[in-house]
Amino acid sequence: DGGITQSPKYLFRKEGQNVTLSCEQNLNHDAMYWYRQDPGQGLRLIYYSQIVNDFQKGDIAEGYSVSREKKESFPLTVTSAQKNPTAFYLCASSIVTSMNTGELFFGEGSRLTVL
Amino acid sequence: AQKVTQAQTEISVVEKEDVTLDCVYETRDTTYYLFWYKQPPSGELVFLIRRNSFDEQNEISGRYSWNFQKSTSSFNFTITASQVVDSAVYFCALSGNDMRFGAGTRLTVKP
Repeated sequence: DGGITQSPKYLFRKEGQNVTLSCEQNLNHDAMYWYRQDPGQGLRLIYYSQIVNDFQKGDIAEGYSVSREKKESFPLTVTSAQKNPTAFYLCASSIVTSMNTGELFFGEGSRLTVL
Repeated sequence: AQKVTQAQTEISVVEKEDVTLDCVYETRDTTYYLFWYKQPPSGELVFLIRRNSFDEQNEISGRYSWNFQKSTSSFNFTITASQVVDSAVYFCALSGNDMRFGAGTRLTVKP
């Protein structure tokens, strides 16, 4: 079945460690996104990519990094520079020609807890 | 700047009651799109509807209906005869130059 797969579903990390969240899609979508969800704050955009080897910062990119070496993959690294990394992270994709006008397809999310 | 406000943080109803989720938005764009997404306990957001700024016609899909009013910058969502399976967090979103989500409304439908 086509869709977006995020892994791991749950992740625990010690302070000062980097961690990478995986996002893979087989929908043949050009655009991919990373959102962060905190209670009572909705979704905030971290990074997005419209094409392979290119990506743009969102509203809260500090302390995060991404890469887009393949169309189907958009991993997110939460670095030790991110001051408050405990959150629920959602990956999404869309057809690039309808970016911001079409629906987003979401993965099931990754919950990161920093101990 | 674009902004989406969902003033209702949590709503609890009993099964078969009707419930309306409010969404108010702010934008300076003349062309924009409004969305509703559902987030069940499993975590992924599921697309429900998209409306463009030129189409104020209300829409009904089964038990779901949406009321878009540009005069009040609102895009409210009504569930008729609610069911336990409707329990989820519902997000309203606005897109113009970028996509903005509201804080979400957690709906609990009790049997």
